[in-house]
Amino acid sequence: AQSVTQLDSQVPVFEEAPVELRCNYSSSVSVYLFWYVQYPNQGLQLLLKYLSGSTLVESINGFEAEFNKSQTSFHLRKPSVHISDTAEYFCAVSEGSEGRRALTFGSGTRLQVQP
Amino acid sequence: GAGVSQSPSNKVTEKGKDVELRCDPISGHTALYWYRQRLGQGLEFLIYFQGNSAPDKSGLPSDRFSAERTGESVSTLTIQRTQQEDSAVYLCASSLYRVSSYNSPLHFGNGTRLTVT
Repeated sequence: AQSVTQLDSQVPVFEEAPVELRCNYSSSVSVYLFWYVQYPNQGLQLLLKYLSGSTLVESINGFEAEFNKSQTSFHLRKPSVHISDTAEYFCAVSEGSEGRRALTFGSGTRLQVQP
Repeated sequence: GAGVSQSPSNKVTEKGKDVELRCDPISGHTALYWYRQRLGQGLEFLIYFQGNSAPDKSGLPSDRFSAERTGESVSTLTIQRTQQEDSAVYLCASSLYRVSSYNSPLHFGNGTRLTVT
């Protein structure tokens, strides 16, 4: 069965510092991987996704994530964070042929960017 | 355009009562999902509808929970004989196709905050 582990519930970081939010998944078959973000007082929205092809995927606001099959990880990184990146970040996985399973979400990591 | 709409936005109910939560997905979206988010926790999958396929009910926590969807439109999540541990934000999401499609992200509603007293 698919599952997702986000080890860090909160990550405080200063503005312009780099950040990595960790995500590990468990699945016995091929997977599709996602990061969703929830800004304060807003709904969840897709940040980036890995479906196939290049293992490094990027978002429009400078985040990137790399699919590492051997380590079953999909960590989210940004080289220099901004105050506006403060939000809760959820890693998610869907496994199997054509992603037939619904997304399983991790417990979330709250990124707190301080000035 | 219109996003995923959920109603009510807030619901306070007494323990033992039944509640019904409604989700209006984005028009044309074949997939619809219900998740639950308890305070300080992640999203817990409840049920998934995909087109005319049999729904994936594997996440429903007990037989007090049920959900229906009429075609590719509205869905209702029903909780019978509510318990205090049912208190949570119930999120609905829809997507155009399965999540493996490149142009098929989940679009989430703002949720229904359920409080069982």
